[in-house]
Amino acid sequence: DVKVTQSSRYLVKRTGEKVFLECVQDMDHENMFWYRQDPGLGLRLIYFSYDVKMKEKGDIPEGYSVSREKKERFSLILESASTNQTSMYLCASAKGGSVTEAFFGQGTRLTVV
Amino acid sequence: AQSVAQPEDQVNVAEGNPLTVKCTYSVSGNPYLFWYVQYPNRGLQFLLKYITGDNLVKGSYGFEAEFNKSQTSFHLKKPSALVSDSALYFCAVRDGSSNTGKLIFGQGTTLQVKP
Repeated sequence: DVKVTQSSRYLVKRTGEKVFLECVQDMDHENMFWYRQDPGLGLRLIYFSYDVKMKEKGDIPEGYSVSREKKERFSLILESASTNQTSMYLCASAKGGSVTEAFFGQGTRLTVV
Repeated sequence: AQSVAQPEDQVNVAEGNPLTVKCTYSVSGNPYLFWYVQYPNRGLQFLLKYITGDNLVKGSYGFEAEFNKSQTSFHLKKPSALVSDSALYFCAVRDGSSNTGKLIFGQGTTLQVKP
């Protein structure tokens, strides 16, 4: 079974802190994604990566950056956390191309105070 | 640009009745379409997908979905709803003409099945 693991289920950070959310997958997938989930807004794509060191902005990249130095790991970075970044963050991975489904981690509930 | 619309925030249905959760999409190339389900405090689980071929696709837990190219729709259906089907459902699309495989989701529809 594909496993997508997010490093934390719950995080509480202070405004202005630099925050790292880590995601690891064990199926050698080329594509990895970061979404945030907010009530009524669904899943919004922040960034995705289609290969090591390759990334593309999603619909809401402002205030975020990403890093993919190794194929199995995709990190989301909040350069200076703000209260409006309080949300559920979901990581996903998928095989290269477009025909395959994505597999999701359990999510990280981030609260910025 | 890709987009997905789920026009209903919530769908209510009685147990044993058929259910439909609606989804429409917009994509410049060939649409690859997916349905996911999310139970409380859990991650998203894949239900089914349409890539090519038969417009009616079958998936997990008795769900099926019908692809309609002219209406750009991919509605999720089940002939007889169960209380345990109550959850949050998401439709998603990937552009088949894209090399990168960007995956875009709708805003989700809450399905409430009442006994």
